[in-house]
Amino acid sequence: ETGVTQTPRHLVMGMTNKKSLKCEQHLGHNAMYWYKQSAKKPLELMFVYNFKEQTENNSVPSRFSPECPNSSHLFLHLHTLQPEDSALYLCASSLEDRDRGRNEQFFGPGTRLTVL
Amino acid sequence: SQQGEEDPQALSIQEGENATMNCSYKTSINNLQWYRQNSGRGLVHLILIRSNEREKHSGRLRVTLDTSKKSSSLLITASRAADTASYFCATDARGYSTLTFGKGTMLLVSP
Repeated sequence: ETGVTQTPRHLVMGMTNKKSLKCEQHLGHNAMYWYKQSAKKPLELMFVYNFKEQTENNSVPSRFSPECPNSSHLFLHLHTLQPEDSALYLCASSLEDRDRGRNEQFFGPGTRLTVL
Repeated sequence: SQQGEEDPQALSIQEGENATMNCSYKTSINNLQWYRQNSGRGLVHLILIRSNEREKHSGRLRVTLDTSKKSSSLLITASRAADTASYFCATDARGYSTLTFGKGTMLLVSP
């Protein structure tokens, strides 16, 4: 176990549904990330939060909405998704040190999302 | 793009053999990291090598970094069936605020 948990592990939703993915870490990290992993594509960074502030939004459609209420929790709210949004969604956290560059990221097990 | 590119895309070997995977990147980096992913699971960090380091070891893993060639290699010695997974390099490029992952190498180790 990496210390990062994600729920649910599997999710099937229709295009009109609203659902949320949850990520939790108790590693004392100060940065959290959402990634999307689709078949045969590189891992795509979606959002980054440093000290609860969103610092990256890599042109992600507005049907994905992140929320970081505190340094231990990260949510990804989903609404009116498309079938092409089906993928493995991974959460990660890290302890960032601006002087030494990016440190290792600890990943959760992922949520396998299927949009019908 | 500054992302790393792993080579080969897929590698199939027998247990006991060594496996070597390569990663090339395009811009100057602060560090380079290697991760492993078992099918459908999250990534697990294996090793981090900083730009001023040339070689690093961790158990059966050996990572080298050649900043002049902008490349890195991951060597797994005496492979086991449990090493079957996808392996990714991730670069922390200077001027960029996040890690960038490559597409990965799929390693299959047969008993």
